[in-house]
Amino acid sequence: DAGVIQSPRHEVTEMGQEVTLRCKPISGHDYLFWYRQTMMRGLELLIYFNNNVPIDDSGMPEDRFSAKMPNASFSTLKIQPSEPRDSAVYFCASSATQGVYGYTFGSGTRLTVV
Amino acid sequence: QQQVKQSPQSLIVQKGGIPIINCAYENTAFDYFPWYQQFPGKGPALLIAIRPDVSEKKEGRFTISFNKSAKQFSLHIMDSQPGDSATYFCAASITGYKLSFGAGTTVTVRA
Repeated sequence: DAGVIQSPRHEVTEMGQEVTLRCKPISGHDYLFWYRQTMMRGLELLIYFNNNVPIDDSGMPEDRFSAKMPNASFSTLKIQPSEPRDSAVYFCASSATQGVYGYTFGSGTRLTVV
Repeated sequence: QQQVKQSPQSLIVQKGGIPIINCAYENTAFDYFPWYQQFPGKGPALLIAIRPDVSEKKEGRFTISFNKSAKQFSLHIMDSQPGDSATYFCAASITGYKLSFGAGTTVTVRA
C-alpha cells in the first residue's frame, strides 16, 4: 500500500483565493482525520470522518473551512476565501476500525497564502 | 485546552546520550498513550505506544515509562544516534475516541 496520499505537496496562493487540499486514505481504513500544524499551535485536529460521515468538526476554525468525503477513497479540505493566517502544513491521516490505534499520516500539504 | 502537556520544547544531546521527554495528562479516562516521531517534511509516524496497565514498554532503543498515579509518562531514547534527530509527540486517548497530542519536542543528537 502506498500509504496516505496527499496532494498537492506545496501550494502557494494569493489571499482571497479558494484552496482545495486532497487526500486518499489507506484502503480499508474507515477513519479519516484532517490536521493543521503550525509552530504556534502545534498539531490541531480540524475534523474527522468515520465511514465517510463527519463525526467531529469542532476544530474547524471558521466557516471559510469545509471538508468532504464523498467516498471511502477520497477527501477534500477546502478554504474559501484563504487568508495569510491559514498558512500551515495540513496533514491527512487514516486509521482502521477503532479509530485511534495507529494513525497513519500523509506527508502533508504546505500551504502558503500571500 | 491542551489535554496533554509535553516538555521540554527542545533538547540537544550528544551521540550515545539518553534524551528524555516527559508528558502529563489530567483525564484519568485516557487508556492509550502513543508516541509519534516526525522528520522534517514528513508526517508524524507511530513510534511506540503503551496502555496504563503496564509501567514500561521497550521497542528497540525506545522505552516508554508510565506512572499512572502521577498521570505522567515519558519517552527515553537509549544510545541516541544522529538519525534519531526529529520532533517527538506524545498523545493520549480514550478507546475509540480521537487522540490528543502534546505540543512536541524537537530532539537534536549531535555526532
